[in-house]
Amino acid sequence: QSVLTQPPSASGTPGQRITISCSGSSSNVGSNTVNWYQQFPGTAPKLLIYNNNQRPSGVPDRFTGSKSGSSASLAIGGLSPEDEADYYCAAWDDILNGRLFGGGTQLTVL
Amino acid sequence: EVQLVESGGGLVKPGGSLRLSCAASGFIFNDAWMSWIRQAPGKGLEWVGRIKSNTDGGTTDYPAPVKGRFTISRDDSRNTLYLQMNRLETEDTALYYCTTDSKSPPWRYFDSWGQGTLVTVSS
Repeated sequence: QSVLTQPPSASGTPGQRITISCSGSSSNVGSNTVNWYQQFPGTAPKLLIYNNNQRPSGVPDRFTGSKSGSSASLAIGGLSPEDEADYYCAAWDDILNGRLFGGGTQLTVL
Repeated sequence: EVQLVESGGGLVKPGGSLRLSCAASGFIFNDAWMSWIRQAPGKGLEWVGRIKSNTDGGTTDYPAPVKGRFTISRDDSRNTLYLQMNRLETEDTALYYCTTDSKSPPWRYFDSWGQGTLVTVSS
């Protein structure tokens, strides 16, 4: 069981806006920045959001990250079938002295 | 363009050892902090450890499941990162990725990934 908690699955219809949550604690999400990664089957993950809400160049502004307290969220607006993938949050943990990943959320676009 | 190419994976018996390599190019390797991340079949991502640049001390950090069994090292003259894995367990079966880490804000860690190398631990 991951220290960072994500829902195992999420779904939405094309054009819809969905959010994926990442719940941690004061030693990780609460005191360190959160990154998000997107992974398609059979491929390496890709950095989607860093520093809570920054997008690398090339990532559409439909993807937005936010953080409040010990929880973070990834919002995807204007859902497209191309967004079907697994999404992971990550953060440093000051007690474990290491990087943590959430368990991942599989997004289905119906 | 950043390139990370892992190699060295394979089939090994429980209790055995294996050394993975990651050839890096397209960035200043000797200034980079680097991490290894693994993904068991059908499972999520798990951080395996990181190494700081030698200018930042070259120290390493590991999570509990691999501490004392895995060792990360680097050869800056060869732009290569290594993961020495000893006393392997069946639970170590996974695809192992080499990634760039981040030493400072804005904490853009795991920005670049290799294609991964598969390690299978089985008798």
